Amino acid sequence: GAVVSQHPSWVICKSGTSVKIECRSLDFQATTMFWYRQFPKQSLMLMATSNEGSKATYEQGVEKDKFLINHASLTLSTLTVTSAHPEDSSFYICSASGRASYGYTFGSGTRLTVV
Amino acid sequence: DAKTTQPTSMDCAEGRAANLPCNHSTISGNEYVYWYRQIHSQGPQYIIHGLKNNETNEMASLIITEDRKSSTLILPHATLRDTAVYYCIAGTASKLTFGTGTRLQVTL
Repeated sequence: GAVVSQHPSWVICKSGTSVKIECRSLDFQATTMFWYRQFPKQSLMLMATSNEGSKATYEQGVEKDKFLINHASLTLSTLTVTSAHPEDSSFYICSASGRASYGYTFGSGTRLTVV
Repeated sequence: DAKTTQPTSMDCAEGRAANLPCNHSTISGNEYVYWYRQIHSQGPQYIIHGLKNNETNEMASLIITEDRKSSTLILPHATLRDTAVYYCIAGTASKLTFGTGTRLQVTL
């Protein structure tokens, strides 16, 4: 149990376009989901906390107009990278707070490459 | 979240126990100790968590000192598949802040 599915697993897009990444909790309801970004050989950096039915809470230094988060249901949160640029190329990972015995469950990540 | 300090890297022979230490001297009373690991290019995998009692599950054991200022994750019989970066996090359900972790290399 406590499975989080993230899609796509990798994407290549042209500079200036937008990319949407989906994060789904498959067997539990997640009122809160988290979005992280990880650059090569670095740790995960929390970008924002996504709350179902309300606005996301962004960490300091993360542009909310560039990284649009929507959490319209208890099983789906989306991250849209708008007007992507090469410096946005990174590994994006979502997680959801599920049942206490499993801690936080993470998706498998999305490798974004902007060319 | 309280700051955690972990060794940058460790080696362990396959079949032996891997003991990964973590210092979290500023942990507050309501913060749990979580351990996750990340195998290359994958999302982190939950291992175990605890508040103040030692915990054990099918993957590992977590030993938390009585003053809760440090903890040790024990993988009882390490295999090559346990090679990963292990993250110790002291936090609450509101969010998890990752440090740099320990890169564990299991060797033959």
